[in-house]
Amino acid sequence: NAGVTQTPKFQVLKTGQSMTLQCAQDMNHEYMSWYRQDPGMGLRLIHYSVGAGITDQGEVPNGYNVSRSTTEDFPLRLLSAAPSQTSVYFCATSTGRVRNYGYTFGSGTRLTVV
Amino acid sequence: AQSVSQHNHHVILSEAASLELGCNYSYGGTVNLFWYVQYPGQHLQLLLKYFSGDPLVKGIKGFEAEFIKSKFSFNLRKPSVQWSDTAEYFCAVKATGGFKTIFGAGTRLFVKA
Repeated sequence: NAGVTQTPKFQVLKTGQSMTLQCAQDMNHEYMSWYRQDPGMGLRLIHYSVGAGITDQGEVPNGYNVSRSTTEDFPLRLLSAAPSQTSVYFCATSTGRVRNYGYTFGSGTRLTVV
Repeated sequence: AQSVSQHNHHVILSEAASLELGCNYSYGGTVNLFWYVQYPGQHLQLLLKYFSGDPLVKGIKGFEAEFIKSKFSFNLRKPSVQWSDTAEYFCAVKATGGFKTIFGAGTRLFVKA
């Protein structure tokens, strides 16, 4: 049981490049979210999904796209990377809407945009 | 919309000292509340959670938190900290029945051996 798997762990991009951060889970969790973590700002929600085919915006969605074609996968796409997107990105999953038992986090992707 | 405020950004304690980290949230409805911990170089892990019932909740590693509805607070406590508690602690809130979990800015705790 791998839990939540994020790839890659580290990535350096040039300004303007695009890339996809991968998140896969094997716990059959309905809910998947992407957060970015920046020093002194905690975690900020980028996008989230409540099930396959359903996504919505979080607090800081600009510059990012998501899709959820399967329960297991929730990729995050950076369309045109900017230095302001330098951050650590975490994928988090959970089950249950009313009785949310808290998130299970992936190990993170550290992204640097130069 | 929900928001979370953690008042202490950095806390330094000696081993065996007592710990209390403040957390206040802003939201008019019923909420679910969480504390997460992030050890150096690791991802976040759930420490404890509150949904309903007894406002004093106990989590892993001797941590507890008390929900005071009238104060919109959910402070984290531990009677005696250890060096291994050095980490960053995040308070989080979710509207009951909602989907978004909002995190505070975090509190970095350093415990001196």
